[in-house]
Amino acid sequence: GQQVMQIPQYQHVQEGEDFTTYCNSSTTLSNIQWYKQRPGGHPVFLIQLVKSGEVKKQKRLTFQFGEAKKNSSLHITATQTTDVGTYFCAGVNTGNQFYFGTGTSLTVIP
Amino acid sequence: DGGITQSPKYLFRKEGQNVTLSCEQNLNHDAMYWYRQDPGQGLRLIYYSQIVNDFQKGDIAEGYSVSREKKESFPLTVTSAQKNPTAFYLCASSLGYGYTFGSGTRLTVV
Repeated sequence: GQQVMQIPQYQHVQEGEDFTTYCNSSTTLSNIQWYKQRPGGHPVFLIQLVKSGEVKKQKRLTFQFGEAKKNSSLHITATQTTDVGTYFCAGVNTGNQFYFGTGTSLTVIP
Repeated sequence: DGGITQSPKYLFRKEGQNVTLSCEQNLNHDAMYWYRQDPGQGLRLIYYSQIVNDFQKGDIAEGYSVSREKKESFPLTVTSAQKNPTAFYLCASSLGYGYTFGSGTRLTVV
């Protein structure tokens, strides 16, 4: 069956360091979405990527969608303590079915 | 403000009892979803509904039931047949772009 793998599972960084999480799908995706879940909270939609090779930025966050539309990454530049949380990707196939990655839990050490 | 309301926030259940989790949305979204999240894990789909009076099983539907009698409401019943019901339950809705999640219900079986 279709799977979306996400690595790493956990990441600890010093405040000010960069952070990257990666998603890989076993099949070609229609689009990929990214969500952030703060500790004790619920996932919040961040962005959707649709086009092959697409790159989008939100302040210090950079999202990329691979050329083959099977992988994606989220990069945070100069992390801050407000970036703490779990970041999930969700691959969406051509049948509009969502497949969530297992998430990357980010800890930022002040 | 539009959004999704889940209640209660915390729920304790004795073994062998059925319990119903409420999910109400005023976003006028057609599609609604129930996910289960276990500690350190991703989101697993329990049930989803794309229109009123219709719903489909997700990946882990056993031991759960739903109804969709109104567009705004999508309650989830955790039955006594669910072997390991202690988890964080998230309801979501969508217009097809991204998910909007409720704040979740944390269910504990005692």
